[in-house]
Amino acid sequence: AQSVAQPEDQVNVAEGNPLTVKCTYSVSGNPYLFWYVQYPNRGLQFLLKYITGDNLVKGSYGFEAEFNKSQTSFHLKKPSALVSDSALYFCAVRDSNYGQNFVFGPGTRLSVLP
Amino acid sequence: GAVVSQHPSRVICKSGTSVKIECRSLDFQATTMFWYRQFPKQSLMLMATSNEGSKATYEQGVEKDKFLINHASLTLSTLTVTSAHPEDSSFYICSARSTGTGTKKLFFGSGTQLSVL
Repeated sequence: AQSVAQPEDQVNVAEGNPLTVKCTYSVSGNPYLFWYVQYPNRGLQFLLKYITGDNLVKGSYGFEAEFNKSQTSFHLKKPSALVSDSALYFCAVRDSNYGQNFVFGPGTRLSVLP
Repeated sequence: GAVVSQHPSRVICKSGTSVKIECRSLDFQATTMFWYRQFPKQSLMLMATSNEGSKATYEQGVEKDKFLINHASLTLSTLTVTSAHPEDSSFYICSARSTGTGTKKLFFGSGTQLSVL
């Protein structure tokens, strides 16, 4: 069965510092991996995805994520955090063996401190 | 960990029929549930916020008479697509917010792929 783990409930980082939000997954087939962000009182917004190709994926708002097959990880990163990046981040996976259905991680709350 | 069960995972129906999708929080109570829709190659779009015991709050542009939402208990919300048409074919996903003390988390169902013929 497919599953996603985000081991940190909360990540705090100072503005201007690099940030990492961790995600690990488990699938039986090939993983399709996604990151979404939710700002307060808003729906989910798509940040980036990995389907195939380069392991380093660049997405919206300066975010990137690296697919690591051996570690079954897809950590979200940004070189220099902004206060406006403070939000809830969700990692999600689709298993190529299970069609369209998503599995979402529990979310990680990112707080960027000025 | 908390689980949200969404059923069915896939449904194919004829144009003009109605389809009901269920979203259940299995081991926690959820006063608030959210329904999203995903168009191909696009991000999830929030359709409505479902509050237990009261009317749902719909996002701008979402037809409340077409997408009926019922949140009759703390563990169940349903989305009914009435008189479905091919343009309603999409991927629908629900999420539920836990009501416990401390950090309130959001948990997602696995989604429903609706195909209207």
